Amino acid sequence: AQKVTQAQTEISVVEKEDVTLDCVYETRDTTYYLFWYKQPPSGELVFLIRRNSFDEQNEISGRYSWNFQKSTSSFNFTITASQVVDSAVYFCALSAGGFKTIFGAGTRLFVKA
Amino acid sequence: EAQVTQNPRYLITVTGKKLTVTCSQNMNHEYMSWYRQDPGLGLRQIYYSMNVEVTDKGDVPEGYKVSRKEKRNFPLILESPSPNQTSLYFCASSGRAGRREQFFGPGTRLTVL
Repeated sequence: AQKVTQAQTEISVVEKEDVTLDCVYETRDTTYYLFWYKQPPSGELVFLIRRNSFDEQNEISGRYSWNFQKSTSSFNFTITASQVVDSAVYFCALSAGGFKTIFGAGTRLFVKA
Repeated sequence: EAQVTQNPRYLITVTGKKLTVTCSQNMNHEYMSWYRQDPGLGLRQIYYSMNVEVTDKGDVPEGYKVSRKEKRNFPLILESPSPNQTSLYFCASSGRAGRREQFFGPGTRLTVL
C-alpha cells in the first residue's frame, strides 16, 4: 500500500524564521515520483516541485529547498526566511505503480508579520 | 492561456438529484483526474484517465462516475448524490508520462442537502 504522512497539521512562525515541513512516504515500487503543492488561501493548487525515485539530489529554488532521502523515505520542504505570502496549506504527494496519486493530509503554515 | 476549467464553481443540490461537474483542459494532456478535498484528509483521488476511453478508479470511487469521450473533457457524474459527497472537488490534468506533475482546475464546491 502507498501512503503519505504529513505529521504536522499546523505550523505557526514569525516572518523571517526558517521552517521545515515534513513528508514521509511509503511505497513498495522502485520507481515513483514525489511532489509538493501549495494551496494559498485563495484555494487554487500550485505545483512546486517533482522528484523521481532515481534522483536524490537536493534542490534549491530561491527561498525554497527540498531534501529527498530514500533511506528514511522522506521528502522534506524548507522555507528560508519565511514571508507572510508563504502562508498556505502545503501538500506532499506520491505517484507510483501507474497513475494513482496519493496526497498527504497537508500542513497549514501560518506566517505572522 | 493554458488552463483547466471546471463548471460550476459552486453548487448546492439535494439528495438524489443527478448532477454533472464538467472539466476541460486546453493543454492536450493525456492524463486527467478528479479529487475531492475534505478537512484533515487532504486530496483523495476519485477517478483518473490515461487517455480517451481509458479510466480507472482512484481511492474513493464509490458514488461517482466518469467518462472520457474526448481528450480535453473529463466530466464527473454523481447519479444520486448524498450528503457525504459534500466536498471541494478538483479536476487535474498532466502531460508527458515521465513528468506527471498535475495542473489543477479552480475547484467546485458542492453541497448536498
